[in-house]
Amino acid sequence: EIVLTQSPGTLSLSPGDRATLSCRASQSVSSSNLAWYQHKPGQAPRLLIYGASSRATGIPDRFSGSGSGTDFTLTISRLEPEDFAVYYCHQYGISFPKTFGQGTKLDIK
Amino acid sequence: QVQLVESGGGVVQPGGSLTLSCAVSGFTFSSHGMDWVRQAPGKGLEWVALIWYDGSQSMYADSVKGRFTISRDNSRSTLFLEMNSLRVEDTALYYCARHYLSGWNDHWGQGTPVSVSS
Repeated sequence: EIVLTQSPGTLSLSPGDRATLSCRASQSVSSSNLAWYQHKPGQAPRLLIYGASSRATGIPDRFSGSGSGTDFTLTISRLEPEDFAVYYCHQYGISFPKTFGQGTKLDIK
Repeated sequence: QVQLVESGGGVVQPGGSLTLSCAVSGFTFSSHGMDWVRQAPGKGLEWVALIWYDGSQSMYADSVKGRFTISRDNSRSTLFLEMNSLRVEDTALYYCARHYLSGWNDHWGQGTPVSVSS
């Protein structure tokens, strides 16, 4: 099983700041099969990034993903008030079970 | 637009059974694999099961293998999760989600809550 470890657990920032969220895998994630989701209370998770760096439909370009192998990053260039949420990384593809990181909570400073 | 609507959640005693449904509209259901993902109270997301687009194969998390069964009815665009021998630790909000191409989840339902308690 590929274990995903996200850091930090909580990130306290202000609107307009740059956010950098990390996701480290216990073994190499094949073909960059890594996605990022945003999750707000009472809502369905929202796909932001797939294939490590491709933005999903309708996602603003302030969200970007990078990385390969075992180290991946989600960057939000300038935080908007609606960006404060929990973010999960997720590995998929041929490696089962699919796994999620434990999440990074992005809250307002 | 794409809609996934879960139902069937509720309160059940340990050892009991429950079947969840996920009604899908807005895309060709029979062309896509589907996942169940859950979130226990105060915890993160946990993948539960996947079924191939045609129902020919399914995969399960070790935590539910042998107790849960994922199935689908492509004629009714509906996904199911039959849960047996339920445990307290199965208490969670259960989401259905579309498995797209290599396996990311691009559309999710709002979830249905399951509580296992005596």
